[in-house]
Amino acid sequence: SAVISQKPSRDICQRGTSLTIQCQVDSQVTMMFWYRQQPGQSLTLIATANQGSEATYESGFVIDKFPISRPNLTFSTLTVSNMSPEDSSIYLCSVEDGENTIYFGEGSWLTVV
Amino acid sequence: AQSVSQHNHHVILSEAASLELGCNYSYGGTVNLFWYVQYPGQHLQLLLKYFSGDPLVKGIKGFEAEFIKSKFSFNLRKPSVQWSDTAEYFCAVNHAGRRALTFGSGTRLQVQP
Repeated sequence: SAVISQKPSRDICQRGTSLTIQCQVDSQVTMMFWYRQQPGQSLTLIATANQGSEATYESGFVIDKFPISRPNLTFSTLTVSNMSPEDSSIYLCSVEDGENTIYFGEGSWLTVV
Repeated sequence: AQSVSQHNHHVILSEAASLELGCNYSYGGTVNLFWYVQYPGQHLQLLLKYFSGDPLVKGIKGFEAEFIKSKFSFNLRKPSVQWSDTAEYFCAVNHAGRRALTFGSGTRLQVQP
């Protein structure tokens, strides 16, 4: 299994600001993903973070709003830019362990005021 | 594109009752199937997974699921629920061409003592 640490775990942000969420994994992984879980909703994939190349974004998510970095095989960041109250969500990092099992971090709970 | 349907949005059971949560997916090829659980205030945890072989898979905490290919279904079962099973349950799917998980809308299970 993979152990995933996310920072921050919670934050309250002012609208118009940006926040960067960090995801650290205890082992090297090829596949990393970022999801959003809005209050009372299911998980929606934002993007797949590829090491050494640009992230692949899902429909409805763009790089200017959610820039992602993946500098190595154990670390990634997701930035939520120019936040509005609609961005209040849990943002989750997940990884595939190489045996097709996907694990999730504890999530970063963002509230935009 | 694949999709996942969970027909039960909110289920209320008494302790010791049997549980079956429905999950159907739409994808014509070979899929991998997962059930995750999210306890209140906690992160997603993997309950069980199916890749191939015996269509009846057993997971943690007494849960099992049966893959029925002809019905595109992967229903979750537990013969006798406990109050501690109160949580949100998510069915998810991926395949070789898309490693990221696609989630169903989730089922909120409430077990009354």
